[in-house]
Amino acid sequence: GQNIDQPTEMTATEGAIVQINCTYQTSGFNGLFWYQQHAGEAPTFLSYNVLDGLEEKGRFSSFLSRSKGYSYLLLKELQMKDSASYLCAVSDSNYQLIWGAGTKLIIKP
Amino acid sequence: GAVVSQHPSWVICKSGTSVKIECRSLDFQATTMFWYRQFPKQSLMLMATSNEGSKATYEQGVEKDKFLINHASLTLSTLTVTSAHPEDSSFYICSARDSRDYYEQYFGPGTRLTVT
Repeated sequence: GQNIDQPTEMTATEGAIVQINCTYQTSGFNGLFWYQQHAGEAPTFLSYNVLDGLEEKGRFSSFLSRSKGYSYLLLKELQMKDSASYLCAVSDSNYQLIWGAGTKLIIKP
Repeated sequence: GAVVSQHPSWVICKSGTSVKIECRSLDFQATTMFWYRQFPKQSLMLMATSNEGSKATYEQGVEKDKFLINHASLTLSTLTVTSAHPEDSSFYICSARDSRDYYEQYFGPGTRLTVT
């Protein structure tokens, strides 16, 4: 079966760094996405990795290891507005997105 | 960037009535659109994949006669919730994939449905 695992909830302090991990087992792989979703809103695209390595985009970075079926999203210089759910999704062999349950990130002052 | 709109953004209807939700890709053509449902504090659940000009593909457990999907053009897909019940109350989100690539899905803002 297909499976995406990520922690249910994480707490971090404003100004700090947090890493959200995602492990996956899917039938085929055509890339891994990270989305941010604020409560009551639709997901917004953060990053896409299809090759191994680190992709940096401002305060957010995403890492992929295909051999390990592993990715992480790294958020630096945390701000209160970063409080949201972070969704990991893998595009499978049919280009369908397989979704993780999401990680709720709570930022404390 | 690619923009997807949904209408209405929220709707309240009485039990037994039907509700239609529209999903439009505003600045690109989408041969494939996806319909998701999200209950509070849960992740997205894919309901169906809609391909322009053909029948939608429904995920296991989703009643195709209850959730009617029409994708009549490259920029519009509709989801009709028929004979709605309170348990259908949820956040419905559509996404669209640009015909020119398989790389990303662009999400609409979602429609909050409340059935009383």
